[in-house]
Amino acid sequence: EVQLVESGGGLVQPGGSLRLSCAASGFTFSDHFMDWVRQAPGKGLEWVARIRNKANRYSTEYAASVRDRFVVSRDDLQNSVYLQMNSLKTEDTAVYFCSRDGTKYQFDYWGQGTLVTVSS
Amino acid sequence: IQLTQSPSSLSASVGDRVNITCRASQGVGRFLAWYQQKPGQAPKLLIYLASTLQTGVPSRFSGSGSGTDFTLTVSSLQPEDFATYYCQQINTFPITFGQGTRLEIK
Repeated sequence: EVQLVESGGGLVQPGGSLRLSCAASGFTFSDHFMDWVRQAPGKGLEWVARIRNKANRYSTEYAASVRDRFVVSRDDLQNSVYLQMNSLKTEDTAVYFCSRDGTKYQFDYWGQGTLVTVSS
Repeated sequence: IQLTQSPSSLSASVGDRVNITCRASQGVGRFLAWYQQKPGQAPKLLIYLASTLQTGVPSRFSGSGSGTDFTLTVSSLQPEDFATYYCQQINTFPITFGQGTRLEIK
């Protein structure tokens, strides 16, 4: 069974940093691209970042709203993907989901999400 | 690429047929997916590549379209279908989602 479990969320002050983790199981993690998607309270879905697999040189993509502040990484030995979030702003407050990119342009599995609250 | 869903909200009854449309600001080919989200839950993939039904999703869900205009159809609404629906394009970065369509019980 495919499982994605996020952790690392919490309350942080504006300007602070936080590192989210997503532990994957039930599939060959190293084969798949992985994404982070967030959802502000009461709002819609916003794609945040992607990291590709080794065959694609672990290349990354970011939403403009987080580029230069967030860094996505992965550890294929630990079957985990990470999101390092720096210079956090109040507008980064959201539930952050990790998701698996299927092989046909779809996000086919999602974690349950972890809440990040940026507030003083 | 901006995705505009219509309607933004919809009231319907069990057994109704409903259509939700998604219009892209530029062509995305068939690289469009549909997701269902219930309160407090993660999104669930329903349709990908515009019209391919995800494994395990009931056949009352279907998708159509290509280029800039897409439709999600639920042929006969069931109680568990009342949720929010999002379209997503994966043709061009940044990946974008529509604003969502809230489907409520009439």
